[in-house]
Amino acid sequence: GEDVEQSLFLSVREGDSSVINCTYTDSSSTYLYWYKQEPGAGLQLLTYIFSNMDMKQDQRLTVLLNKKDKHLSLRIADTQTGDSAIYFCAERDSSASKIIFGSGTRLSIRP
Amino acid sequence: DAMVIQNPRYQVTQFGKPVTLSCSQTLNHNVMYWYQQKSSQAPKLLFHYYDKDFNNEADTPDNFQSRRPNTSFCFLDIRSPGLGDAAMYLCATSRERKGADTEAFFGQGTRLTVV
Repeated sequence: GEDVEQSLFLSVREGDSSVINCTYTDSSSTYLYWYKQEPGAGLQLLTYIFSNMDMKQDQRLTVLLNKKDKHLSLRIADTQTGDSAIYFCAERDSSASKIIFGSGTRLSIRP
Repeated sequence: DAMVIQNPRYQVTQFGKPVTLSCSQTLNHNVMYWYQQKSSQAPKLLFHYYDKDFNNEADTPDNFQSRRPNTSFCFLDIRSPGLGDAAMYLCATSRERKGADTEAFFGQGTRLTVV
């Protein structure tokens, strides 16, 4: 079945870049997503990438997709304290209209 | 403006007492999802509606039911909540057409406490 994996924790210094990695198993995925979740809140869509793209940039966010290795990454430039949250990678299972989430990466920012 | 609205934000229910969570959307999306998220875990899909077609996940307990009376509204019914059902419940919507689909939009969630 489908599986999405992420490392659980990442700690970066304020102002540095954060890179959150994700691997997935469904080669037929059409969309891959990054969601942000702050404590007690719902999921906020940060960005997404079509499976036929290698890279997408949106202000401080850069998404890289290596389809061959089924690897997705999210880079946050100039990380700020407001970026502290859990970041979920997700893939859309195109055959079944389902969105499958990874376990989330908790990003903490140190001064 | 909120596009996927969940009510209430916080719900407390008694053990075994039926409870209904609601979700509405202003996007006119044809797919609506219900996810359960327990603390520090990934959201887990319970079921989804593709138009009027209900799609249950194989491991969703019978205790969980859903209704979609029209495009805009979808309800999650928990028939006999147990302590293990305490979680954040997330509703999401997306628009899907043959050969194309869009990103999913999530509501703010309803946090359910069972006492």
